[in-house]
Amino acid sequence: GAGVSQSPSNKVTEKGKDVELRCDPISGHTALYWYRQRLGQGLEFLIYFQGNSAPDKSGLPSDRFSAERTGESVSTLTIQRTQQEDSAVYLCASSAGNNEKLFFGSGTQLSVL
Amino acid sequence: LAKTTQPISMDSYEGQEVNITCSHNNIATNDYITWYQQFPSQGPRFIIQGYKTKVTNEVASLFIPADRKSSTLSLPRVSLSDTAVYYCLVGDLLYNNNDMRFGAGTRLTVKP
Repeated sequence: GAGVSQSPSNKVTEKGKDVELRCDPISGHTALYWYRQRLGQGLEFLIYFQGNSAPDKSGLPSDRFSAERTGESVSTLTIQRTQQEDSAVYLCASSAGNNEKLFFGSGTQLSVL
Repeated sequence: LAKTTQPISMDSYEGQEVNITCSHNNIATNDYITWYQQFPSQGPRFIIQGYKTKVTNEVASLFIPADRKSSTLSLPRVSLSDTAVYYCLVGDLLYNNNDMRFGAGTRLTVKP
């Protein structure tokens, strides 16, 4: 595709439910990032993939958060047992490599009721 | 970690030049400096990147002094559509990928 695609664009869920957020990066981009942005706040780094590997998962807020990437393409961010504090926009970005600019998707707005 | 510090907000008027400075005192040798712009309900988009001295593109200029402990994004003749949050990002993917962290950014408001 022409850009980074994220789905769904909006997700409303009940507290305690699991959610999966999907990111389709630009074809050929080896690096993929997930960020979280709470209303009016800056971007919080979550995790980074180089190929299908995540060298460091320490940015994930808790063990309820996990992410995977397959085929050096699509990535899924999973949040288990969602809490109201998980409500935010989840942004995905991809880049062609080291020090290359990041291309962001439009994000998934997650609302936990 | 190359922590960055930017002003929280700035106001300007249409047609003025705007300079936003970012401090990054512990920048590493391998680190590049990148600026992004974010409009409401959108993901950030790349504006400009540099390593040292001056970089200019069709949108902005980036000034980096010799010690690289700060950088200044310069937006010439801003318009209302330049109202956005501007983020300074300092890092190097290969050696410190966790440094790809955005600070709080600078909220620029351009007034008519």
